[in-house]
Amino acid sequence: KNQVEQSPQSLIILEGKNCTLQCNYTVSPFSNLRWYKQDTGRGPVSLTIMTFSENTKSNGRYTATLDADTKQSSLHITASQLSDSASYICVVSGYNFNKFYFGSGTKLNVKP
Amino acid sequence: DVKVTQSSRYLVKRTGEKVFLECVQDMDHENMFWYRQDPGLGLRLIYFSYDVKMKEKGDIPEGYSVSREKKERFSLILESASTNQTSMYLCASTIRRGDGYTFGSGTRLTIV
Repeated sequence: KNQVEQSPQSLIILEGKNCTLQCNYTVSPFSNLRWYKQDTGRGPVSLTIMTFSENTKSNGRYTATLDADTKQSSLHITASQLSDSASYICVVSGYNFNKFYFGSGTKLNVKP
Repeated sequence: DVKVTQSSRYLVKRTGEKVFLECVQDMDHENMFWYRQDPGLGLRLIYFSYDVKMKEKGDIPEGYSVSREKKERFSLILESASTNQTSMYLCASTIRRGDGYTFGSGTRLTIV
């Protein structure tokens, strides 16, 4: 069964600290993996996209890693800011390009 | 930047009503999608369309229908609203199959 599991479900960190969010998937065959940020009450916004051959991709303070062998991805946030408080959703695309598998998200709360 | 606009941010309707949720994108995207998002369940695909007058069922199409008469507009219809359809509804579009989504801001629908 194709699944995407994210951990932790929720996370509280202090402003300025780093954190890492995890995404494990069983989707096969694999096409690409995306991380989205969703502010409360808004639609998700794309942060990064990674294909099979990519190990790391950065977008400002966000760095995503992918290990296609172990089917794991992580999103590392450096020097967190209050505006990073949001849900982060991992989305994996399978061979059928219109089939996307969504994780349930990690809710991050950055406190001052 | 592509804009995906959903007509209402918040909507309250009564059980049994026919409800229309509208979504418009302004960049000539071929593919459009409707998702609902519920706590703990993540995003679930209701319907998608990859061309005018074309539609495909997603994972949870029961109780919904869609209409795509023009390329830029994709409407979700709740034929007879029920309380279990209270949810956040997200519209998304992509220019090509396999590309990342551009999401609308979402419609928080409450059925009373």
